[in-house]
Amino acid sequence: GQQVMQIPQYQHVQEGEDFTTYCNSSTTLSNIQWYKQRPGGHPVFLIQLVKSGEVKKQKRLTFQFGEAKKNSSLHITATQTTDVGTYFCAGEVTGANSKLTFGKGITLSVRP
Amino acid sequence: NAGVMQNPRHLVRRRGQEARLRCSPMKGHSHVYWYRQLPEEGLKFMVYLQKENIIDESGMPKERFSAEFPKEGPSILRIQQVVRGDSAAYFCASSPTSGNTIYFGEGSWLTVV
Repeated sequence: GQQVMQIPQYQHVQEGEDFTTYCNSSTTLSNIQWYKQRPGGHPVFLIQLVKSGEVKKQKRLTFQFGEAKKNSSLHITATQTTDVGTYFCAGEVTGANSKLTFGKGITLSVRP
Repeated sequence: NAGVMQNPRHLVRRRGQEARLRCSPMKGHSHVYWYRQLPEEGLKFMVYLQKENIIDESGMPKERFSAEFPKEGPSILRIQQVVRGDSAAYFCASSPTSGNTIYFGEGSWLTVV
């Protein structure tokens, strides 16, 4: 079955450092979505990427969809303590009844 | 516009009891998804429903688990004869149509003692 992989599961950065994480799918995706979950909270939708090579920015966050639509990246510039949480990518395969397959997520901690 | 509503938020059950988790999708959303999250793990798809229909239940355990989304009322995830391994956060999500972004509820935390 389809797999969505996020490695590593944990990353620790110093406040102010940049942070990049990647998401890889075993199959070509129709779109990819990113969610953020704060400790004890629920996943909150951040962004959806649909087109090959698409890049979207949200303030300090930059999301990119790979040319082959099998991978994606999230880059955070100058991390802040408010960036703490788990970032999940989720891929949707065309024709798969719109079922999103989530990666295991990467938990980001930021040292002040 | 209320978001996805789940209740109860926290539920404690003894082994062998039944757990019922409810989810009311966002207004205008007719697609409901249930995900399970174990501690320090990702979100595992369980089931996808539209009104009165199960579209995809490939993530549901074959026994003890069932889900429904009736014409009237919330979607219900039912776990019979709970075991300790069922302890997890169960998230419901909804979307207006297929292929859209899904929006999560705040989750129901089930603890089996």
